[in-house]
Amino acid sequence: ILNVEQSPQSLHVQEGDSTNFTCSFPSSNFYALHWYRWETAKSPEALFVMTLNGDEKKKGRISATLNTKEGYSYLYIKGSQPEDSATYLCAPQGGADGLTFGKGTHLIIQP
Amino acid sequence: DTAVSQTPKYLVTQMGNDKSIKCEQNLGHDTMYWYKQDSKKFLKIMFSYNNKELIINETVPNRFSPKSPDKAHLNLHINSLELGDSAVYFCASSPRDSSTNEKLFFGSGTQLSVL
Repeated sequence: ILNVEQSPQSLHVQEGDSTNFTCSFPSSNFYALHWYRWETAKSPEALFVMTLNGDEKKKGRISATLNTKEGYSYLYIKGSQPEDSATYLCAPQGGADGLTFGKGTHLIIQP
Repeated sequence: DTAVSQTPKYLVTQMGNDKSIKCEQNLGHDTMYWYKQDSKKFLKIMFSYNNKELIINETVPNRFSPKSPDKAHLNLHINSLELGDSAVYFCASSPRDSSTNEKLFFGSGTQLSVL
């Protein structure tokens, strides 16, 4: 089980603003880094899976970067919309041990 | 059609009872999981099965016993329920075993309340 830190724990952002948050994880025994989006009263949904140092993935207004050497990943949201309100979970994967989820960043977009 | 379905959605029961939560996936995935969302909102892995074989078994009381009759089903049976077992339990599946970087597909969760 890996030690995962996500910051900030919660974030209020004005509609239309861009934002980002961080996931930190041990750089040793790294296999992959997953990001999930978890809306209230729903189940987590996968956003990205990244494996290579320097990886950058994009889905619409959301993108993520990965630094495996220093053990962090950023998630960026451009031009936040109310439907982006959710908890964003990162989960490093250490080989056969499965995913270890962080506590998440709870994002609230204010109209 | 729901990809990963678990039942029941809500389960309220008395301490000491035995209960089961069922999970089924129609995605043709090889691997299924049980996660527990604890009181601090962490999602923690409990078990993982690949093609009906147990591959991950985290430190979980042996009152919790997973059963996989086939690779599309992974049920969770809990004996002698305790107050501390109250949590939301999520079933998930992924296409391959956990040593590859395949994303998880989650069920909608079962909220267990032990009184």
